[in-house]
Amino acid sequence: DGGITQSPKYLFRKEGQNVTLSCEQNLNHDAMYWYRQDPGQGLRLIYYSQIVNDFQKGDIAEGYSVSREKKESFPLTVTSAQKNPTAFYLCASSPIRERNEQYFGPGTRLTVT
Amino acid sequence: AQSVTQLGSHVSVSEGALVLLRCNYSSSVPPYLFWYVQYPNQGLQLLLKYTSAATLVKGINGFEAEFKKSETSFHLTKPSAHMSDAAEYFCAVSEVGGGYQKVTFGIGTKLQVIP
Repeated sequence: DGGITQSPKYLFRKEGQNVTLSCEQNLNHDAMYWYRQDPGQGLRLIYYSQIVNDFQKGDIAEGYSVSREKKESFPLTVTSAQKNPTAFYLCASSPIRERNEQYFGPGTRLTVT
Repeated sequence: AQSVTQLGSHVSVSEGALVLLRCNYSSSVPPYLFWYVQYPNQGLQLLLKYTSAATLVKGINGFEAEFKKSETSFHLTKPSAHMSDAAEYFCAVSEVGGGYQKVTFGIGTKLQVIP
């Protein structure tokens, strides 16, 4: 089965701790994305990557970091600098061809207290 | 800059009634448009997409959408609502800039289906 996996489904952390969210895809897609979803705000782009070892900031990158060491993997670290990290995080991937739809993982709900 | 406006953050319909979810877009180039559905605590699933081939686009689960350039709209419809249609629906527009595909999502419309 091809798809995108995100783990864990639910994550709880104490304020001040960094936390890493996993995203893996076996769709052979070049592009991968991280979005943050908050009620009433839709999806906001955090980071994206089009090729291995390259990534770009999205609209709300402050307090987040990513890496792209393998085509299949695009982990997101939520750092202690992120002022309001509690949210639902979605990873997506797409072919690099122009304007294809994105394929989404099941999401990780992060709660920081 | 592209943008998407979804009118109505919450829509309620009776089971068996017409579903109409509104989406208006703004784009500097001919747009590619998408509708996604999200069930609680899950990721987004593509319902349908418009890529300029045909203005009336049919998707999964009986949904369809019509692209109207003169109205800059891409409204989602389904003739008869089922209980299983209760979910959140997102309209999105895609542009390419700097070699990167930027997708802008609307804020979403939660559909409630009343038995």
